[in-house]
Amino acid sequence: DAKTTQPNSMESNEEEPVHLPCNHSTISGTDYIHWYRQLPSQGPEYVIHGLTSNVNNRMASLAIAEDRKSSTLILHRATLRDAAVYYCIHGGFGNEKLTFGTGTRLTIIP
Amino acid sequence: ETGVTQTPRHLVMGMTNKKSLKCEQHLGHNAMYWYKQSAKKPLELMFVYSLEERVENNSVPSRFSPECPNSSHLFLHLHTLQPEDSALYLCASSRRNRGDLPLHFGNGTRLTVT
Repeated sequence: DAKTTQPNSMESNEEEPVHLPCNHSTISGTDYIHWYRQLPSQGPEYVIHGLTSNVNNRMASLAIAEDRKSSTLILHRATLRDAAVYYCIHGGFGNEKLTFGTGTRLTIIP
Repeated sequence: ETGVTQTPRHLVMGMTNKKSLKCEQHLGHNAMYWYKQSAKKPLELMFVYSLEERVENNSVPSRFSPECPNSSHLFLHLHTLQPEDSALYLCASSRRNRGDLPLHFGNGTRLTVT
């Protein structure tokens, strides 16, 4: 199983940037790094993914270390709606290889 | 609205009942998945269907029986469940292709086995 390590929980103030770290030291050269989040009473929601280069989309940015053994999800300006459990996962060809961990529970303080 | 619809949202069943969970997607995806999410545990992949053929079965007990009649529909048939099977059951879909395109999840069926 592809394992990742994330802090169990983090807190951030509203309207501040949030940096969510993830270690994935067993990642192979062809594995993508994916981030999903799960809001209360909902299924997980795709946030962003990347392979080697940093990635940006309307939801977040993904910074990938040069050795690819860690990555950071960046929420540029947290809102109360960003309170969720954030999952960092990596896997090879075919989504069936994506193994979810317990994620980071992000609390946003008004 | 996620594009993946699961019914029912909540289900309570006794250990001797037979019930089915339904999942439907109209995103044009060709792969569908069942996940189980128990309290304080990671999501567990149960089954994967690609082009309506089962390609993954993660040692799931036979009391769970999946069915994928076409690329838009996925069922999970349940019979003689145990109380420890109580969990949130999530369906997801994706377009299988090189590049690991993202999973789209439904909002799940909360199952309680009494």
